[in-house]
Amino acid sequence: TQLLEQSPQFLSIQEGENLTVYCNSSSVFSSLQWYRQEPGEGPVLLVTVVTGGEVKKLKRLTFQFGDARKDSSLHITAAQPGDTGLYLCAGVNNDMRFGAGTRLTVKP
Amino acid sequence: GAVVSQHPSWVICKSGTSVKIECRSLDFQATTMFWYRQFPKQSLMLMATSNEGSKATYEQGVEKDKFLINHASLTLSTLTVTSAHPEDSSFYICSAPGLASHEQYFGPGTRLTVT
Repeated sequence: TQLLEQSPQFLSIQEGENLTVYCNSSSVFSSLQWYRQEPGEGPVLLVTVVTGGEVKKLKRLTFQFGDARKDSSLHITAAQPGDTGLYLCAGVNNDMRFGAGTRLTVKP
Repeated sequence: GAVVSQHPSWVICKSGTSVKIECRSLDFQATTMFWYRQFPKQSLMLMATSNEGSKATYEQGVEKDKFLINHASLTLSTLTVTSAHPEDSSFYICSAPGLASHEQYFGPGTRLTVT
């Protein structure tokens, strides 16, 4: 059973479209992180959110941490084929637990 | 920035043999390291927490006698898969926390294939 529920699990969209990935939990986290992973490689950190209600922007990516620090979302604007990959959220307390991941495919 | 290395990056072994995977923090010390396993098209699942100088803490369902963890120094943790079977074939990733509570540095992973 995943501590973090991530949705959708798979997403295939056309270049230029917007998308949102959700990460939900019944647990409170001291921080939450989003990673992107390419096949055969370790995950690469995109962002860390710490404060409830926090919003961070990284170019076309917007990350939000829920007020209660139990959930988060990742919004990508005008997706590009280079955004294709596995996106993972991870809740941090004494250790780090990952969501199931969202496999995004952006078609040109 | 902080770097974590893993060795080997990939290994193929025969069923019944043992395989050792190393995880090193290259420019910082880590009293704790985490070992994850990732099956194809799935997420990372925490296997165990490696503690320098003491016993590792295993997650529920992970056999401690099968997955031996040794954290002998502040920069090295090893995971030994004993009596490997094909179902142990997976991508094994380690990580080490940084100074800040939310910092975590991941290794590049080790692809294990048991034939």
